[in-house]
Amino acid sequence: DAMVIQNPRYQVTQFGKPVTLSCSQTLNHNVMYWYQQKSSQAPKLLFHYYDKDFNNEADTPDNFQSRRPNTSFCFLDIRSPGLGDAAMYLCATSRELAVETQYFGPGTRLLVL
Amino acid sequence: DQQVKQNSPSLSVQEGRISILNCDYTNSMFDYFLWYKKYPAEGPTFLISISSIKDKNEDGRFTVFLNKSAKHLSLHIVPSQPGDSAVYFCAASGTGTASKLTFGTGTRLQVTL
Repeated sequence: DAMVIQNPRYQVTQFGKPVTLSCSQTLNHNVMYWYQQKSSQAPKLLFHYYDKDFNNEADTPDNFQSRRPNTSFCFLDIRSPGLGDAAMYLCATSRELAVETQYFGPGTRLLVL
Repeated sequence: DQQVKQNSPSLSVQEGRISILNCDYTNSMFDYFLWYKKYPAEGPTFLISISSIKDKNEDGRFTVFLNKSAKHLSLHIVPSQPGDSAVYFCAASGTGTASKLTFGTGTRLQVTL
């Protein structure tokens, strides 16, 4: 089945140690998104790629970076994780940049020790 | 500043009865609204949407109502089934925001036997 896959599902890292979260999709969608969801809060958009064009949300900290080497894969890099970065990270895709539904992966839960 | 609000963190409904989940928004530029459903350990999945040019959209047991003057929307599930037990997120998008979704914090629905 076509889907959005996130690896790993759980990630433990140390304070300040760089970590990379992975997302892949078999939907061949043009747009890929990364959301951060902290406990009992709404998912918050960090950034998105339309094809190779990167779009950062204004309030996304510089500590968060992203790479999209090809259509199928997108990575979230946290350069120096702090305790406040512990959260669920959701990857999503959509066919185009238009008002339509986004397809979400199962998320990666990040724990920072 | 929470632009999309779901003021009820949880709701319990008996099987067969109606579930009504509510959502309020503050941004008058929002013109497209969606409901997502999330099971534990899975990503949110699209359930139903409504454009601001409509006041009702129905899909099987699910109906979304939009009251633009009150900036309020609601999701009705009739009849409720145990498999409907999940967290429901309201989300909104506005013209010119390149399909950026602004989510609410979610309402956990428990359908009891």
